[in-house]
Amino acid sequence: EAGVAQSPRYKIIEKRQSVAFWCNPISGHATLYWYQQILGQGPKLLIQFQNNGVVDDSQLPKDRFSAERLKGVDSTLKIQPAKLEDSAVYLCASSLMTGSNEKLFFGSGTQLSVL
Amino acid sequence: AQSVTQLGSHVSVSEGALVLLRCNYSSSVPPYLFWYVQYPNQGLQLLLKYTTGATLVKGINGFEAEFKKSETSFHLTKPSAHMSDAAEYFCAVSDDNDMRFGAGTRLTVKP
Repeated sequence: EAGVAQSPRYKIIEKRQSVAFWCNPISGHATLYWYQQILGQGPKLLIQFQNNGVVDDSQLPKDRFSAERLKGVDSTLKIQPAKLEDSAVYLCASSLMTGSNEKLFFGSGTQLSVL
Repeated sequence: AQSVTQLGSHVSVSEGALVLLRCNYSSSVPPYLFWYVQYPNQGLQLLLKYTTGATLVKGINGFEAEFKKSETSFHLTKPSAHMSDAAEYFCAVSDDNDMRFGAGTRLTVKP
């Protein structure tokens, strides 16, 4: 079974530039998550989609971060403009459905360095 | 809101020794608890989870964890460490809405 695909694997940008990440979840998974993992910390949820609707975006810095999941499959996460503190690994995860006991499948992540 | 505390950001054991990674949680509702592992340059993978029922949960690669409500703990153990167990381990707690991760514990296995 194909896993969660993310691209690019690495990205280096200067502060105030824009960047976008792409995620393709496991086929048939209705729920998609974007997490931010800063070095030395655990993953922090940024946004959760159920199909193409947003379930939770309470921790998304909406002044600079945006995400969409058109057609309820692939998703993109954008940062505009980037700040130094956005340097982190951005993880995409998917699950078959939304539920507290559902297993999440994670992609390998996109490592972002903001200089 | 729930939260997770992992005691010890770095644990080092010898090959063949007992592995014990500590996790304490707080939750206002009966929690669902998870352990995920992250190998270098890979995404997180589920090791095991507790939802309801038996409090001793067995996972992949010989790991197990015990849910102790009185101690609000969900410590991860493995009787005998392998070199291949070297990785970052994350404890997570989930309620009806949200999954929160601990800061992680890096496990090093010495030959």
